[in-house]
Formats: sequence, C-alpha cells, structure tokens
Amino acid sequence: QQQVKQSPQSLIVQKGGISIINCAYENTAFDYFPWYQQFPGKGPALLIAIRPDVSEKKEGRFTISFNKSAKQFSLHIMDSQPGDSATYFCAAFTGTASKLTFGTGTRLQVTL
Amino acid sequence: EPEVTQTPSHQVTQMGQEVILRCVPISNHLYFYWYRQILGQKVEFLVSFYNNEISEKSEIFDDQFSVERPDGSNFTLKIRSTKLEDSAMYFCASSPYRTSGMSYEQYFGPGTRLTVT
Repeated sequence: QQQVKQSPQSLIVQKGGISIINCAYENTAFDYFPWYQQFPGKGPALLIAIRPDVSEKKEGRFTISFNKSAKQFSLHIMDSQPGDSATYFCAAFTGTASKLTFGTGTRLQVTL
Repeated sequence: EPEVTQTPSHQVTQMGQEVILRCVPISNHLYFYWYRQILGQKVEFLVSFYNNEISEKSEIFDDQFSVERPDGSNFTLKIRSTKLEDSAMYFCASSPYRTSGMSYEQYFGPGTRLTVT
C-alpha cells in the first residue's frame, strides 16, 4: 500500500514535443506529491509539487495533473528540450510517516 | 542559493568495515533524512530525524545503521559493519520548518557513492 507506481520506464520525445509521465498510488494518507529531476551522478532536484486539494499546478513548462478519485497524477513537460533529458521520479509524502516514497523513475530522452 | 552538501563524494571500503557518511544540511532546516539509491533503481527512504531523534526509519535501517547530529551543522550516517549489498548512492536531504508545521519540501544533496568490496 506504500508503493507508488510509475510509467513509462523510459520515454523518447522529439524536441518541442510533450513528455507525459504517469504515477499511481494506493495510500490515501499521502498528502503531498512532488516530482524530482535527476541528472546522472547528481542528487534528485525538486521540480514541482502538488497537494491533493488542487487538480492542476503549472510552473513554466512543467504541469502536474492530479486525479484524487483515481489516485493518479502525472507530469507534463511542454515544449520538451534536450536539456530536459534526465530521470524523473514521482514521489508521495505523508506528514504522519515523515518520509518520501518514490516511484521507480522514468528516463526521458529528448532528441533533436 | 543554499544547498545540501555531502562528503565524501565516493567512499570505497572493505566488507565488515565501518563507514561514516557526512552531510551538511541547509542552514535553518530542522528535518533531516537519509535515502539510498542502488544503481539503476529507485530512491529508498532510510531514516528521518527531527529534534535530535529519529522520527521514522525503514526496514533497511537495521542495527548496523545509526544517525547523529554531532553539532549544529553536520548530520551523519554510520554503517557499523558494511556488507556488499550496502553498495549504493546515499543521499542526505533536509526540510525547513514552517510556522504552520512541517514543510514537505525536501532538498537533496549530491550524494555519496559507497562501494563495498
């Protein structure tokens, strides 16, 4: 019940295209859903996050869509750029457990 | 921009040896975490620490692991007797405190790659 399922495992998108990564969770106690971006050899960097009382959050080219009833959330990267090529992790957090539970990661490659 | 720092960047040790991984969280942050990532796999929670005590720990964090905040700036993870399966990237993270309570934003350091031979 603590798992966060993430798909796809890898994604290739052309420059200028839209990248979409999906996550699903089971534990309804989760109340914060961040996305992290990780470049090789680096630590995860907080990209954008959402609370379950909001259905969408947009920051620049990055948008989180959240469906509370379906227990799903997704990251949309608009106008994808080669510099966006990285591994993206969704995660979920509950203050009562004081820990992040990560998805399995999506390796995004943006081609020219 | 303030950031979490970790030392060393790479640690090689022999099986059975003790290692200490060091972290300097962002100044004024009050919540501290250790996570690990085995090569090619997802990031896994190890332990959270607040007010000089462990808040939560995972099943991975057994008696061989311990954490300490020896002074006002450092946060350490000690593995007493390393095993081959402890080889991983270890990340430290920290969160600020908000007046409304715990902040959920966690900021990660660059990691320490631990190789156990």
